[in-house]
Amino acid sequence: QAQLLESGGGVVQPGRSLGLSCAASGFTFISYAMHWVRQAPGKGLEWVTFISYDGTNRYYADSVKGRFTISRDNSENTVFLQMNSLKAEDTAVYYCARRIAVGGIDVFDIWGQGTMVTVSS
Amino acid sequence: ERVMTQSPATLSVSPGERATLSCRASQTVNSNLAWYQQKPGQAPRLLIYGASTRATGIPARFSGSGSGTEFTLTISSLQSEDFAVYYCQQYNNWPRTFGQGTKVEIK
Repeated sequence: QAQLLESGGGVVQPGRSLGLSCAASGFTFISYAMHWVRQAPGKGLEWVTFISYDGTNRYYADSVKGRFTISRDNSENTVFLQMNSLKAEDTAVYYCARRIAVGGIDVFDIWGQGTMVTVSS
Repeated sequence: ERVMTQSPATLSVSPGERATLSCRASQTVNSNLAWYQQKPGQAPRLLIYGASTRATGIPARFSGSGSGTEFTLTISSLQSEDFAVYYCQQYNNWPRTFGQGTKVEIK
């Protein structure tokens, strides 16, 4: 069945960089747009970024614009999140999520298990 | 940015009873509204999209309604597995935004 598996989380100092990966399996990855969503400890969900199926369209939350970059490698069935200039407020579980395959509906039907990013000195 | 406000923050309900959760958008999102369920330590699960369409495999006791700025998620008869946090999310505009969540707890 369709699965997403994030990796790359860890502890990083403020101002440093970290890259996350999300490996997809069980579905035709190239047909789907993808998102990253994060959740700070004990808090709600925050949408972070989107990439279209072919990588030509990308959107970012204002809180990460200019610091985070989403990309994908359809030959490797993987989506990436490069996070630069990290701040304490970026501490969260980061989920990758698949956009549902229903035209015009931008909701998240498959989620990974999440990877924890802690920004601390 | 569309601000999504959910109420109440916490809902105490007995098993078998009905639960009604509300979500309000700061500006219209038409019917571009989804609901998710999240249990502790787990990723969210999609319940409803298009304000009222159940996602694949979601039991019929979950129903959604509303359009514009006012939305409701109803769980007709709460089962033990339904005690969780519920989030609404709009996808009418960028950035995509979530409500702050409603926790449904056992009364």
